[in-house]
Amino acid sequence: GQQVMQIPQYQHVQEGEDFTTYCNSSTTLSNIQWYKQRPGGHPVFLIQLVKSGEVKKQKRLTFQFGEAKKNSSLHITATQTTDVGTYFCAGSAYGGSQGNLIFGKGTKLSVKP
Amino acid sequence: SQTIHQWPATLVQPVGSPLSLECTVEGTSNPNLYWYRQAAGRGLQLLFYSVGIGQISSEVPQNLSASRPQDRQFILSSKKLLLSDSGFYLCALQRGGRYIQYFGAGTRLSVL
Repeated sequence: GQQVMQIPQYQHVQEGEDFTTYCNSSTTLSNIQWYKQRPGGHPVFLIQLVKSGEVKKQKRLTFQFGEAKKNSSLHITATQTTDVGTYFCAGSAYGGSQGNLIFGKGTKLSVKP
Repeated sequence: SQTIHQWPATLVQPVGSPLSLECTVEGTSNPNLYWYRQAAGRGLQLLFYSVGIGQISSEVPQNLSASRPQDRQFILSSKKLLLSDSGFYLCALQRGGRYIQYFGAGTRLSVL
């Protein structure tokens, strides 16, 4: 079945360093979404990418969707302690079950002050 | 805007006991509803989804069942809990064509 692979599983950075997480799908996606889960919390929607090659920015966060719509990345510039959490990508496949999302296993980010 | 209510926030249950977790939503109608389980430090596993009253689809065979008796109510149940049922249970809703999911605060279940 369809899989969404996400790497790395863990990332430890010093505050101020950059961070990137990558997401790869086994099939072409209609859209990809990114969620953030703070420690002890629930996933919260960050952004959705729909178009091939799309790039979106939210302050220090940059999201990209690959040309083939099979991969995506999230890049955080100059990390802060408030960025701590697990970042999940989630893809929706063409013809998938009623909009169901396939979640990656997430990248857990820790930031050392 | 929509709101998702899940309770209780934490639950400790003995092996073999029954389970009933309830999820109710406000501020929207006819949403798609989802139950996920997240093991400690792991990703999200889709358990059930529902596109309407009485319509349940199961993603994985397991010890759990789900029901949707009302448009805005989604219930996760078990007749006899197993140790492996421990985890963080999240209810989510999806409304509209963008396929974005909004999660409730979740229930942390420990089966001892």
